[in-house]
Amino acid sequence: DGGITQSPKYLFRKEGQNVTLSCEQNLNHDAMYWYRQDPGQGLRLIYYSQIVNDFQKGDIAEGYSVSREKKESFPLTVTSAQKNPTAFYLCASSMTGASGGQYFGPGTRLLVL
Amino acid sequence: QKEVEQNSGPLSVPEGAIASLNCTYSDRGSQSFFWYRQYSGKSPELIMSIYSNGDKEDGRFTAQLNKASQYVSLLIRDSQPSDSATYLCAPCNQGGKLIFGQGTELSVKP
Repeated sequence: DGGITQSPKYLFRKEGQNVTLSCEQNLNHDAMYWYRQDPGQGLRLIYYSQIVNDFQKGDIAEGYSVSREKKESFPLTVTSAQKNPTAFYLCASSMTGASGGQYFGPGTRLLVL
Repeated sequence: QKEVEQNSGPLSVPEGAIASLNCTYSDRGSQSFFWYRQYSGKSPELIMSIYSNGDKEDGRFTAQLNKASQYVSLLIRDSQPSDSATYLCAPCNQGGKLIFGQGTELSVKP
């Protein structure tokens, strides 16, 4: 059963703490993406990767980091430099170039304690 | 000018009516266009794609594209309460990235 999984569903971060959000896909997609969604707003692109061991900054990369060591996995780290991390984080994947659309995981909701 | 513009709504229609959702985009080089449905608290789900001018039908959904006017729309026939959600328009720009609109909230009243 192909799809995208994200974990955890909810994540709590303390001040000054780095946290890592997991994203795994078994769709054999080359490209993976991380978005942030704030209440009542659209999706904003954080980072994306078109191929293993390569990734590019999106529109709001400051305070975030990623890695792409395997085709199936694209974890996102929210660092302590991200001063307003509370949001709904969405991972997506697509064939190269996104011309066939992107498919989303269920999301991780990050809250600050 | 925003890259992708949608009316935020809410758009309220009675059950059984046609819901019409509209979207304009600024990148004339966009070639692929997608509609996503997002239920409250859930992630977006791809429901329609359209690549050529004209209409594309899939069940109760029809996507319409007019590249000259930089306009794309989604019609939902025989609207059901289960269609109540936010609908996101997402053209794929020349750089190969999807640019999402802020979405239109649709409410279908029984």
